[in-house]
Amino acid sequence: GAVVSQHPSWVICKSGTSVKIECRSLDFQATTMFWYRQFPKQSLMLMATSNEGSKATYEQGVEKDKFLINHASLTLSTLTVTSAHPEDSSFYICSARDSSREAVQPQHFGDGTRLSIL
Amino acid sequence: GNSVTQMEGPVTLSEEAFLTINCTYTATGYPSLFWYVQYPGEGLQLLLKATKADDKGSNKGFEATYRKETTSFHLEKGSVQVSDSAVYFCALITYGQNFVFGPGTRLSVLP
Repeated sequence: GAVVSQHPSWVICKSGTSVKIECRSLDFQATTMFWYRQFPKQSLMLMATSNEGSKATYEQGVEKDKFLINHASLTLSTLTVTSAHPEDSSFYICSARDSSREAVQPQHFGDGTRLSIL
Repeated sequence: GNSVTQMEGPVTLSEEAFLTINCTYTATGYPSLFWYVQYPGEGLQLLLKATKADDKGSNKGFEATYRKETTSFHLEKGSVQVSDSAVYFCALITYGQNFVFGPGTRLSVLP
C-alpha cells in the first residue's frame, strides 16, 4: 500500500533554533501534500497545503514566515519551523494524496513528528 | 461548508464488548467517507472507507455503512480487543476540497 515517510519522529531543541521536517511519499507521486498540527487530545488542524513546484497555500491564522513549506519534487515536501519557541511544541503530521488516481482517494499519513522546544 | 461530528469520548469498554462510535456529517455534493485510527504516538492509518450511499466499508472486524438518508457513517465492531485502544477519526472529502476530520473519539478497552 501507499507509504508516507516522515522524519524525524521526535525532535527536542532549544528555543530560537529552526527545525526541518521531511515528508516523503515512498511508492507514489504526490503533487499535493498536507501539513497538519495536532495538540494533545485534539483533532488534526490543517496548517497548509503543499503544492509541487509552487507556493504553499496556508490556512487562516497560520504564519507562513514561521512555517516554511517547500515542495521541490513529486515525492518530497519539507516543513521548517523557523526560530521555534515553546508554543510551537506540538505533533506535526504530513499526508499525501496519490496524484495518479483521479477519483477521490484517501490521504496517506506519515507517522508524525513530535516537536518539543525547550 | 463540510463538517463532521463525532460522539464525545472517551469511550471505555471491556474486552469483547460491542463498539459503536457515531459519526454524522454535512457536506455539499457527494462525499467519500473514511474512518482513520491513531494509535498512541503515531500518525493516522486508514481503517476503512465508503465512496457512495449504502456502501459498507470493513477492515479488521470494523464496519461502517454510508447512510445518505441519515448522513451518518457509524463505526461498529462486534468484539473489541485491548489492542483496539486508540483514537478514531471520522473524515470526509468532496471532490476538489480538502479532507475534513471529526474531533476524534478516544477508545480505551480494558482487559
